[in-house]
Order: sequence, then structure tokens, then C-alpha cells
Amino acid sequence: GAVVSQHPSWVICKSGTSVKIECRSLDFQATTMFWYRQFPKQSLMLMATSNEGSKATYEQGVEKDKFLINHASLTLSTLTVTSAHPEDSSFYICSADGLSGDSPLHFGNGTRLTVT
Amino acid sequence: LAKTTQPISMDSYEGQEVNITCSHNNIATNDYITWYQQFPSQGPRFIIQGYKTKVTNEVASLFIPADRKSSTLSLPRVSLSDTAVYYCLVVTGRRALTFGSGTRLQVQP
Repeated sequence: GAVVSQHPSWVICKSGTSVKIECRSLDFQATTMFWYRQFPKQSLMLMATSNEGSKATYEQGVEKDKFLINHASLTLSTLTVTSAHPEDSSFYICSADGLSGDSPLHFGNGTRLTVT
Repeated sequence: LAKTTQPISMDSYEGQEVNITCSHNNIATNDYITWYQQFPSQGPRFIIQGYKTKVTNEVASLFIPADRKSSTLSLPRVSLSDTAVYYCLVVTGRRALTFGSGTRLQVQP
């Protein structure tokens, strides 16, 4: 089945630094990838839609200059949290779409970001 | 986007059948229903999807009545490892999924 890999699975960084999270589709080409954020005991919230070779589309309230998304290839999208602050601590999850028809979207296993 | 409503939480015991019902009153003609399972600190895992009537796979069944305004996920003989959050979603085309609050299922021994 379709596999989506995220790296790292967890990261701890100091306030003010930047962190990059990778999302890879391992056995298919993903023209579109989606980035979500999930706070404890809450549901997943869509942050942005990433299209290969074009600019990402951000959801309302998500700062595009803070959450930089790059989708340079059909198998890789990256999310960079710039100048991270403790309130950016969260669980970040990606999903990838490249399959045809009504095939379900598959998700990565998430990245736990802790900003100290 | 069709909004979904499902119970916040459910409790069950090992070996029982669990049915989680989701309502989606404004589902559109071309929409279909999909269910995901999420364990703590993991990404959602696809369980099952369907358009109408009944769909069954190796882990669950999905019942969708003729009016498609609701759907029921059925988990046969649950075990402790089925303790998780279950999300019902209505899917329109090739798009990002919009997650509701989900149902937190707790399976007791």
C-alpha cells in the first residue's frame, strides 16, 4: 500500500531556531501534499496544501512566512518552522495525494515538535 | 464541505462489537464517506470508505443507509488495541480532508 514517511518523528529545538520537517511519498508520486497540526486532545487542523512546483496554499490564520513549505519534487515536501516559539510546539502531520480515483489519502506518522 | 457529527467518546469491553454512528446531513451526491483511526502520537490510519449500502474489509464494516445522511462504522470483537480516536469524514473529490472532533473509543478488559 501507499506509504508516507515523515522525518524526524520528534524534535526538540530552542526558541528562535528553525526546524525542517520532511514528508516523503515512498512508493508513489504525490502531486499534492497536505500539512496538518494537532494540539493535545484536539483534532487535526489543516495548515496548508502543497503542490509540486508551485506555491503552497495556506489556510486562514496560518502565517506563510513562519511555516515555509517547499514541494520541489513529486516525492518530497518540507515544512520549515522558522523562528520557533514554545507555542509552535505541536504534532505536525503530512498526507500525500497522488493516487487516482477514490483511493484514500495516506498520512505520515507525524512529527512531535517541542520548542523550549 | 459536509459537516460530520459523531459521539465524543464511547466505552466498550473486549470482545464486544462496537458501532460508531456519524451523521452528515448535507452530504452531496458525489461525496463518499471515509473513516480513519488514530493512536496517540501517530498519524491517522485509513480504515474503510464507502459510498452507499455496506462495505466490509478485514478490520471493519461500514453501513450507509439509502439517504446517506449517516453512516455507521462497525468494529467486530474489539480488543484493547482498538482503543483510539475514530474520525468520520466526508470526502469531496481529490482534496484535503477536514477532520471533526472524532470519537474516542476506550476498550476495557
